[in-house]
Amino acid sequence: DQQVKQNSPSLSVQEGRISILNCDYTNSMFDYFLWYKKYPAEGPTFLISISSIKDKNEDGRFTVFLNKSAKHLSLHIVPSQPGDSAVYFCASLSGNTPLVFGKGTRLSVIA
Amino acid sequence: DSGVTQTPKHLITATGQRVTLRCSPRSGDLSVYWYQQSLDQGLQFLIQYYNGEERAKGNILERFSAQQFPDLHSELNLSSLELGDSALYFCASSVRGGQRYEQYFGPGTRLTVT
Repeated sequence: DQQVKQNSPSLSVQEGRISILNCDYTNSMFDYFLWYKKYPAEGPTFLISISSIKDKNEDGRFTVFLNKSAKHLSLHIVPSQPGDSAVYFCASLSGNTPLVFGKGTRLSVIA
Repeated sequence: DSGVTQTPKHLITATGQRVTLRCSPRSGDLSVYWYQQSLDQGLQFLIQYYNGEERAKGNILERFSAQQFPDLHSELNLSSLELGDSALYFCASSVRGGQRYEQYFGPGTRLTVT
């Protein structure tokens, strides 16, 4: 049973526009949600996280929104840049459990 | 640079051999996690240590073991290696406080078993 789902395997966005990456989860006990960017053969790069007691967290071009009633979170990247092209993973955990990862969404930012 | 370091970057060895992968967490982080990423697979959690003690275990084979030392660095030992153990192995460390939780990954060790 997949507790964290990223239903869009890929997304293409024009440079300068907003990229919106989505993630759904099933475990209402998750208390932190994280987003990572990953290139092949490299370690995931931590981007931003949000606590379950908040509904928005912002860091530069990255904003994460959490909708607990819908068990949904999204990552907004504004403005999108060609260097943002990568695979993006959402991940969640509750208490001291290990991170549970989604399968990723491949973002392509087209110049 | 995440602040998590891993050595070696690449490792090539033969089936049946034993190797040790090393990880140093970010300064001040007490937790260390090990993950495996095989070709075209997602990240598989192996094991977690917190301040020298095992905290959680994932899909870690009995041929694999790990430990965290008093200086907080960690080693992952892989023995009786098989071709299927060829993968990227990542280490991560985390920081938690108040409304904040962040987990940072190292650059990985690429293990090739021939």
